[in-house]
Amino acid sequence: AQKITQTQPGMFVQEKEAVTLDCTYDTSDPSYGLFWYKQPSSGEMIFLIYQGSYDQQNATEGRYSLNFQKARKSANLVISASQLGDSAMYFCAMRVRGNQFYFGTGTSLTVIP
Amino acid sequence: DAGVTQSPTHLIKTRGQQVTLRCSPKSGHDTVSWYQQALGQGPQFIFQYYEEEERQRGNFPDRFSGHQFPNYSSELNVNALLLGDSALYLCASSHTPETGTSYEQYFGPGTRLTVT
Repeated sequence: AQKITQTQPGMFVQEKEAVTLDCTYDTSDPSYGLFWYKQPSSGEMIFLIYQGSYDQQNATEGRYSLNFQKARKSANLVISASQLGDSAMYFCAMRVRGNQFYFGTGTSLTVIP
Repeated sequence: DAGVTQSPTHLIKTRGQQVTLRCSPKSGHDTVSWYQQALGQGPQFIFQYYEEEERQRGNFPDRFSGHQFPNYSSELNVNALLLGDSALYLCASSHTPETGTSYEQYFGPGTRLTVT
């Protein structure tokens, strides 16, 4: 069975500080991809970062980095130097064989000035 | 370069009616996936279309059907609407390379369906 778990319903971070959003996954497929999306109140899902299961190095995209620990089946998102515009829902997702995507329940991030 | 577009933006229907939602993929993309996102939940995969055929399907009843056109645009049809079908319906497009594994997918702004 494929499953994505996000255990933090809500998180708060001070502006300019770093924050880590947790994500664990479960799959029996040897090849999979892990994604993080940002969903502002407008509803559109914005792609942030991707990590392939065979990638040796952690993915980074600007202020976003993905802390990939394969043995622990975790793919945490780290946002550095938080900005007020980072306040949104964040979803972790997994792509498995057949290109089907599974999403977690999301984490609501609030950046405090 | 236009991204993924969806229409309509909002829709209100009555229980038992039928609805059609539309999606145009990002330029260069040939694969369209549909998701249902209930309030406070993550998106749930409905199905995926590639080469005008349904390639993958999630755990949704046959009331949910779809179609992909030769220009890669897609429709989602829902028959016999239930109150529980009220949700944000997201369309996502991607490119499926020869290896068969598509990577990132781009989402449209969604259609918010309310069933009364």
